[in-house]
Amino acid sequence: SAVISQKPSRDICQRGTSLTIQCQVDSQVTMMFWYRQQPGQSLTLIATANQGSEATYESGFVIDKFPISRPNLTFSTLTVSNLSPEDSSIYLCSVVGRIGETQYFGPGTRLLVL
Amino acid sequence: AQSVTQPDIHITVSEGASLELRCNYSYGATPYLFWYVQSPGQGLQLLLKYFSGDTLVQGIKGFEAEFKRSQSSFNLRKPSVHWSDAAEYFCAVGALNQAGTALIFGKGTTLSVSS
Repeated sequence: SAVISQKPSRDICQRGTSLTIQCQVDSQVTMMFWYRQQPGQSLTLIATANQGSEATYESGFVIDKFPISRPNLTFSTLTVSNLSPEDSSIYLCSVVGRIGETQYFGPGTRLLVL
Repeated sequence: AQSVTQPDIHITVSEGASLELRCNYSYGATPYLFWYVQSPGQGLQLLLKYFSGDTLVQGIKGFEAEFKRSQSSFNLRKPSVHWSDAAEYFCAVGALNQAGTALIFGKGTTLSVSS
């Protein structure tokens, strides 16, 4: 299985600022995804990070709020912009080696917005 | 639309007793099915998965799950629960979106283990 790291592991931010989360994988992967887990809730897919092109966003998520980059097959960033307390969540990246195979998750980034 | 239902929000089981966590899915084709566990303050760990073949799959930590197509279910079982099994359990189905394979998660079941 892939080894996935996320930075930062947690952060406390002021409203109106932005936070960029990094996801690094120890091997090349086909797919990378970003999920949000709000307090006490399940995981919701934010977007699929596409290498070298714009991310594919799920309904309810927009690029201006959640810009995503994926410059290569092992790295992606998620920025949460113009933070509000409602953005306080755990943000997780996940990867798939090949389409249809097991999806592995990073340890998550815990964000608290004050 | 694809969906996953975990009917039980919270379950308490005595240590050493058996466990069954329910999961029902709605999906138009043969699904990829997963169970993940999330311990407090931790990320998600894959317990087991079903892609095809034998409908009874074995996972880590003594867990197993059975895929029943006729019931659209993928229930998780363990014959004897340990206190360390207390965690949040998520069932997920693999769906094909326009860009690849992402997961749809159920709302999770919190397992408490009593001594």
